[in-house]
Amino acid sequence: AQKVTQAQTEISVVEKEDVTLDCVYETRDTTYYLFWYKQPPSGELVFLIRRNSFDEQNEISGRYSWNFQKSTSSFNFTITASQVVDSAVYFCALSGDNNNDMRFGAGTRLTVKP
Amino acid sequence: ETGVTQTPRHLVMGMTNKKSLKCEQHLGHNAMYWYKQSAKKPLELMFVYNFKEQTENNSVPSRFSPECPNSSHLFLHLHTLQPEDSALYLCASSQSDSPYYEQYFGPGTRLTVT
Repeated sequence: AQKVTQAQTEISVVEKEDVTLDCVYETRDTTYYLFWYKQPPSGELVFLIRRNSFDEQNEISGRYSWNFQKSTSSFNFTITASQVVDSAVYFCALSGDNNNDMRFGAGTRLTVKP
Repeated sequence: ETGVTQTPRHLVMGMTNKKSLKCEQHLGHNAMYWYKQSAKKPLELMFVYNFKEQTENNSVPSRFSPECPNSSHLFLHLHTLQPEDSALYLCASSQSDSPYYEQYFGPGTRLTVT
């Protein structure tokens, strides 16, 4: 069975602070894909990144960076110098052999205060 | 219009009503999805369509009836709903139902069953 755990329900930071959102996953598939999505107050989930199980290279995109570690089954997301516009609910998701089985974590609500 | 659109954005219905939710994607994708997002619960996959064919029905009660007339349109027909069906219903699309492809989401329909 596939499972995604986002242990942090809510995080509150002050603008310009760095913040890391944790994601731990469970799967028996050897090939799988991990995703992060952002859900702003408007409602639609916005795709941020995909990482496949064979690529453990970390990725940086502007203020966003992702740390994928298979040894600890984690795919953590760091926002550097957070901004108020980063306030949203962030979801980590996992898909395996069949996308029909995509599993989302419960989400982490990030609030960035000015 | 671009991306994935959903109508209506808000819907209030009684338990004996019949209503339909509409989703349209303008991305040229072949797979479409319905998700239910309840408070304090992870996103729950309800239905998956790939090339207009239903490929997943995730043990959804029969009071929810999906329809996919073509790859661009997806409907969710509702009848005799229960108050616990109140939630945000999200539509998504992807290039195909392969686990590799990210999903693009609409803004959702906020459904309240009274």
